[in-house]
Amino acid sequence: SYVLTQPPSMSVAPGKTARITCGGNNIGSKIVHWYQQKPGQAPILVSYGDSDRPSGIPERFSGSNSGNTATLTISRVEAGDEADYFCQVWDNTGDHLYVFGTGTRVAVL
Amino acid sequence: QLQLQESGPGLVKPSETLSLTCTVSGGSIRSGTYYWGWIRQPPGKGLEWIGSIYYSGRTYYNPSLKSRVTISVDTSKNHFSLKLTSVTAADTAIFYCARIIAAGTNWFDPWGQGALVTVSS
Repeated sequence: SYVLTQPPSMSVAPGKTARITCGGNNIGSKIVHWYQQKPGQAPILVSYGDSDRPSGIPERFSGSNSGNTATLTISRVEAGDEADYFCQVWDNTGDHLYVFGTGTRVAVL
Repeated sequence: QLQLQESGPGLVKPSETLSLTCTVSGGSIRSGTYYWGWIRQPPGKGLEWIGSIYYSGRTYYNPSLKSRVTISVDTSKNHFSLKLTSVTAADTAIFYCARIIAAGTNWFDPWGQGALVTVSS
């Protein structure tokens, strides 16, 4: 089955840029979506279709995808960005599988 | 605005069946452009897709859970349901329901608030 690997954790200072990676075999040939999950809350969508942003999500959040790595970039990080982030792809073969990344905990220093 | 709400017992005994319902409000479950899904998250761990359903009743299941999972839909009540049989402590998790946007590549939005189900005697 397809595996998506993320770094378990990272820390970033306020105002700096966080780059959260999601590694998978030729992930650039798939389309990646990203979710933010704050403690005790359900995940929310922060990026879809590799690089599109849902309404209400700040422009500071941007996605990219190429080769074997997809990246969610958070610019000008704020304290409120502290959360777990998960990538996700959809396997559109017969099983219609949904695969989530292992998740990255982002701590704002 | 579309909202989803999970409901069901918070405690299930080992070997029994876990049953949850997701009630959709603010929109129709019969919309042709969406699927509806269940995802679970063991405490402190990552997300795992359980299965999905279309309003017609067409289902898709995670192969790792397929033998124990049944998802059904009741369009008259605008809800869909999950049954997971023969549960063990390893099935203890927060269970989320979500709408699936089907647009050539599928994603989950929005999610319900989640329901914690503990498997214990």
